[in-house]
Amino acid sequence: DVKVTQSSRYLVKRTGEKVFLECVQDMDHENMFWYRQDPGLGLRLIYFSYDVKMKEKGDIPEGYSVSREKKERFSLILESASTNQTSMYLCASSLGDRAASPLHFGNGTRLTVT
Amino acid sequence: AQSVTQPDIHITVSEGASLELRCNYSYGATPYLFWYVQSPGQGLQLLLKYFSGDTLVQGIKGFEAEFKRSQSSFNLRKPSVHWSDAAEYFCAVGDDSNYQLIWGAGTKLIIKP
Repeated sequence: DVKVTQSSRYLVKRTGEKVFLECVQDMDHENMFWYRQDPGLGLRLIYFSYDVKMKEKGDIPEGYSVSREKKERFSLILESASTNQTSMYLCASSLGDRAASPLHFGNGTRLTVT
Repeated sequence: AQSVTQPDIHITVSEGASLELRCNYSYGATPYLFWYVQSPGQGLQLLLKYFSGDTLVQGIKGFEAEFKRSQSSFNLRKPSVHWSDAAEYFCAVGDDSNYQLIWGAGTKLIIKP
């Protein structure tokens, strides 16, 4: 089974802090994604990457950046955390068949910014 | 505009009863259709997918879904729910021209004992 591991289950950070969310997958998947999940809004794509060092903006990239230096690792960075970034963050990976390839999700990181 | 609508925010079903969760979409291209399930405290897991062919697709955990092109719907069904089916269910739509899926807002399934 594919395993997608997110480094933290819960995080509490202060406004203005730089925050790193880490995600590692163990199945050599080409694609990796960062989603934000808020009640009633479903999943919203922040960034995705289809190859090492490649990144593409999703629907809500503002206030976030990403890094993919190795194929298995995809990091989400909040440059200066704000209270409106309090949310559940989900990492996912998939094979290289674009939207045809099912997503494999991590268990999520619940971030609270105070 | 492309969109996915799950009209029911919550659904309550008695254990052993049948279930149908609705999903309607608006999409320009021929869509790929997915249902994912999120158990409490977990990430999402794929239940089933439809790309082409037989419009009735079988998934894991006894779920099935039917694609109806004329109604732009992809409803999820299960003949008899179990308490372990309590979760949030998401419908998603994509196509082979890009990486992004369009997601519904989710339906939370509550099981009455």
